[in-house]
Parts: sequence; structure tokens; C-alpha cells
Amino acid sequence: DADVTQTPRNRITKTGKRIMLECSQTKGHDRMYWYRQDPGLGLRLIYYSFDVKDINKGEISDGYSVSRQAQAKFSLSLESAIPNQTALYFCATSDPGGGAVTGELFFGEGSRLTVL
Amino acid sequence: AQSVTQLGSHVSVSEGALVLLRCNYSSSVPPYLFWYVQYPNQGLQLLLKYTTGATLVKGINGFEAEFKKSETSFHLTKPSAHMSDAAEYFCAVSGASGANNLFFGTGTRLTVIP
Repeated sequence: DADVTQTPRNRITKTGKRIMLECSQTKGHDRMYWYRQDPGLGLRLIYYSFDVKDINKGEISDGYSVSRQAQAKFSLSLESAIPNQTALYFCATSDPGGGAVTGELFFGEGSRLTVL
Repeated sequence: AQSVTQLGSHVSVSEGALVLLRCNYSSSVPPYLFWYVQYPNQGLQLLLKYTTGATLVKGINGFEAEFKKSETSFHLTKPSAHMSDAAEYFCAVSGASGANNLFFGTGTRLTVIP
């Protein structure tokens, strides 16, 4: 089983619908991240969380919200989806003991979201 | 603030030829620099990283990169391309004071021609 699991892997929805993408990890890491990948734009940080009580906005948080339900779970919500939120979304984790300082992130396989 | 620029969104090489993927960075603090690789339908995985010390760093699968402060560069190389190297490669930078965030480049898609 993957260390960082994202569900769903693919989702097609309509404008205005609420969507939740879920991420769970078995690595025991405290830090979790949501990134968005668009062709030609690379990865951009949406939100990150250093522990259950800590949530921080990234570069492009508008239109998104997150919930850190437990150390192992970090979900991303689109309250009212719009077409320009069509993208590939990645969850990632890091270990503050070493990975967070040196920058090693561990990624899930991605959730492809299409908003019509 | 930190940022990276990857020169060339697509690079094609013949199998067995040298691979050179270019990355230039901008950082107001001593940078930590990274290369990540993304194979089709997968997430990103760390290829190699520079934090401190030796400026030539070696990674997995025969890749290496050299940190050149004077040129603000961190180019990725591999002497001989293999078909399995076909993937998208991302350069990233973070501030040495703590990697609260990595700033990724726009990516370079490597095609290996048989």
C-alpha cells in the first residue's frame, strides 16, 4: 500500500458543486501539504499543516479550505467548484526532524479534478 | 523570496546521450535546492538535493547536479540517457532557514528517443 493515499484519484464535477479531496498517510509525519499542478505552471502550494492544530495558507488558497482531522488525515475542499480549478492535486508529507528542513516531500499519486 | 526558472519545457535526447536539464534559482537567503522526478501517472519523488557542503551532489538513477553560486544554477545531468529516464523533472528551492515551502519550477519533460 502507498504511504500517502489520495481519494478520489479522478473526479468530474459541475460548476458550483462542493468537492472534497482526501489524503491519508502512514508515514507518521506531522507535516502535510496540498499542492496543485497545472501544465506549464509547475506545482503551487495551496495549504499546509504542521500539526493537527496548525493550518497555514499557501500561495493560492483562495477558493479552497482544508481540514486536518488527525495527524494522518488532511482533506482539501472546494466549496463551490469553478472550471479554473480543474487541475491535478497532490498531497504531500514531510518529517520535521529532517525532511522539512532539507525539503524532502513524500507525494501521493494525485487526484485529477475536472470541473465542467 | 525564492524562485526557480527551468529553461526548456521539453528536452529530447537519444538513448545513450548526455542529459542536461537547466535550472537557475533566485534566493534572498542561502538556498536549499532540489530536483524531483515525476513518472507518468505518479506523484513526485526526490531525485537529489543540495543543502550544504559538497557542491556536486549525486542522486538516484545516475543523476547528479552541481550547485554553482556564482551562476545561481543547479543543472541536472546524466552521462547516458536510458529509456526509463523519460519523465517530467522539477527543480525546486527553499530557504535554508527552514523549508516551510518549496518553490517549484515549471518542469521539463524529458523524452528519450530510441
